[in-house]
Amino acid sequence: AQSVTQPDIHITVSEGASLELRCNYSYGATPYLFWYVQSPGQGLQLLLKYFSGDTLVQGIKGFEAEFKRSQSSFNLRKPSVHWSDAAEYFCAVGARGFKTIFGAGTRLFVKA
Amino acid sequence: GAVVSQHPSWVICKSGTSVKIECRSLDFQATTMFWYRQFPKQSLMLMATSNEGSKATYEQGVEKDKFLINHASLTLSTLTVTSAHPEDSSFYICSAYPGLAGAGAGELFFGEGSRLTVL
Repeated sequence: AQSVTQPDIHITVSEGASLELRCNYSYGATPYLFWYVQSPGQGLQLLLKYFSGDTLVQGIKGFEAEFKRSQSSFNLRKPSVHWSDAAEYFCAVGARGFKTIFGAGTRLFVKA
Repeated sequence: GAVVSQHPSWVICKSGTSVKIECRSLDFQATTMFWYRQFPKQSLMLMATSNEGSKATYEQGVEKDKFLINHASLTLSTLTVTSAHPEDSSFYICSAYPGLAGAGAGELFFGEGSRLTVL
């Protein structure tokens, strides 16, 4: 069965500092991997996705993620965090045309 | 990009009443739609998979009779919370799957969510 683990419930970084959010997955086949962001009371916005090919994926808002099959990881990174990045971030794993399972989420706090 | 619309965005109802939430794919046909539930400060829990023209597949622990799902067309799925009670209060999010071809292939598109409060 597919599963996603986000080890960090919350993370605090200073504005302008770099960010890395961790995600580990379990899936029997080649996974589709996603990162979503959710602001309070809002729906989900897709940051980036990985289906195949280049393991370093570029997304919106300056985010990137790297797929490492050997570590079953898909960590999200951003070189310089902005205050507007404060939100909840969800890693998700899915299959072609099938259900997507979400991690527990990591809440990002940005301090001035 | 593909757009999925949910309605209503928020609803307040009395205990014992039924509430219907609509999920529409506005610019693509979705053979499959998914319904998620999100408790405050928690992740999204998959409730059911809805396929057009067939019965929904519910995840373990989700009451089929409580959460009725209908996927009558390729652009519309509805979730009806029957005889709602305060513990059904939650944020419900739908997603639609456009298929394996074209823009957004293999990706899910999410609605804005519907917040249900049962008094």
